[in-house]
Amino acid sequence: EAQVTQNPRYLITVTGKKLTVTCSQNMNHEYMSWYRQDPGLGLRQIYYSMNVEVTDKGDVPEGYKVSRKEKRNFPLILESPSPNQTSLYFCASSPIPAGVGGYTFGSGTRLTVV
Amino acid sequence: GEDVEQSLFLSVREGDSSVINCTYTDSSSTYLYWYKQEPGAGLQLLTYIFSNMDMKQDQRLTVLLNKKDKHLSLRIADTQTGDSAIYFCAESIMDSSYKLIFGSGTRLLVRP
Repeated sequence: EAQVTQNPRYLITVTGKKLTVTCSQNMNHEYMSWYRQDPGLGLRQIYYSMNVEVTDKGDVPEGYKVSRKEKRNFPLILESPSPNQTSLYFCASSPIPAGVGGYTFGSGTRLTVV
Repeated sequence: GEDVEQSLFLSVREGDSSVINCTYTDSSSTYLYWYKQEPGAGLQLLTYIFSNMDMKQDQRLTVLLNKKDKHLSLRIADTQTGDSAIYFCAESIMDSSYKLIFGSGTRLLVRP
């Protein structure tokens, strides 16, 4: 089944403790992206990647890092999480351009930083 | 700048039609999308419309595009309680980022 898999689904952590949210897709898509969803703000893009070793900042990249060492994986790294990074995070992938299929989204990771 | 706007909330009675509206700003968008998010779930692509189309119908869903006013709407006929969800419109940005810009989402509540 074509899908984007994120892990974990839920995570509670403490301020400053480094964490990684994994994302993997099995559709051979070139494009991968991370979004955060906050009430009333919709989805805001954090980082995106056009292909292996090609990443770029989205609209809200502060406090996040990404890497794209393999085409299928695009982990999101929070080196020193803070409470304002408490949010619902989505990974998405697509061909370039997205075309008729749009993005395929993962199920989301709900992160709470205390 | 890039911006997609939607009203935040819509309440309809079961069996009525729902119309969710969206305005966008990038006239170069090639595709516009509607996504549905059910509670606790990710975003699911409902339908799309290509920018050279005015209307697209897919079963109970009708998408209307007014390019002059940069206005997009999603009509759901015979709305059911299972249609209760958040609906996002999104436009594809045809610059080097190839990203989708999402609206803030419209929460649709269907009353029995």
